Amino acid sequence: EAGVAQSPRYKIIEKRQSVAFWCNPISGHATLYWYQQILGQGPKLLIQFQNNGVVDDSQLPKDRFSAERLKGVDSTLKIQPAKLEDSAVYLCASRPGPSGTYEQYFGPGTRLTVT
Amino acid sequence: AQSVTQPDIHITVSEGASLELRCNYSYGATPYLFWYVQSPGQGLQLLLKYFSGDTLVQGIKGFEAEFKRSQSSFNLRKPSVHWSDAAEYFCAVARTGGGNKLTFGTGTQLKVEL
Repeated sequence: EAGVAQSPRYKIIEKRQSVAFWCNPISGHATLYWYQQILGQGPKLLIQFQNNGVVDDSQLPKDRFSAERLKGVDSTLKIQPAKLEDSAVYLCASRPGPSGTYEQYFGPGTRLTVT
Repeated sequence: AQSVTQPDIHITVSEGASLELRCNYSYGATPYLFWYVQSPGQGLQLLLKYFSGDTLVQGIKGFEAEFKRSQSSFNLRKPSVHWSDAAEYFCAVARTGGGNKLTFGTGTQLKVEL
């Protein structure tokens, strides 16, 4: 079974530029998460999707971050404009559904450096 | 809101020695508890999880963890550490219901001396 795929793996941009990250979850997984992991910290949830609907985006900085999952499969996370403090690893995770005792499966992450 | 505390930022052990990584959580009910490991440049890999039942949980790579409700703890243990165990370890808690949103601790960086 293929795991969670993310691209690109690394991205370097200047502040005020825009950037997009892509995630392809495990086939059949209805629930998808985006996390931000700043160096030296644990991952922090940005947004959770159930199919193509948003379940929780309470910690997403909506003035600059946006995310979509149009067909309930792939997802894109965008930052526009980027700030220095957005430098982090962005992790995508998926699980079969929103409830029950399933674990979350994580992708390798995208490391973003904002200069 | 739930929270997780990992009091040890860095731990160094000798290969073959035993290991215990501490994790304390704050949550009003019985939580779901997890330990993840992250190697450099890699995503998070689940070591073990606790949902209910037996409070001693066995995981992959020889790890185990014990849920102690009275101490709000979920410490990770391994009887004999291997050099390949060097990595960062994260404890996480999820609410029972509500999308299983994970709240992570700040992590413990494990160094293994040969």
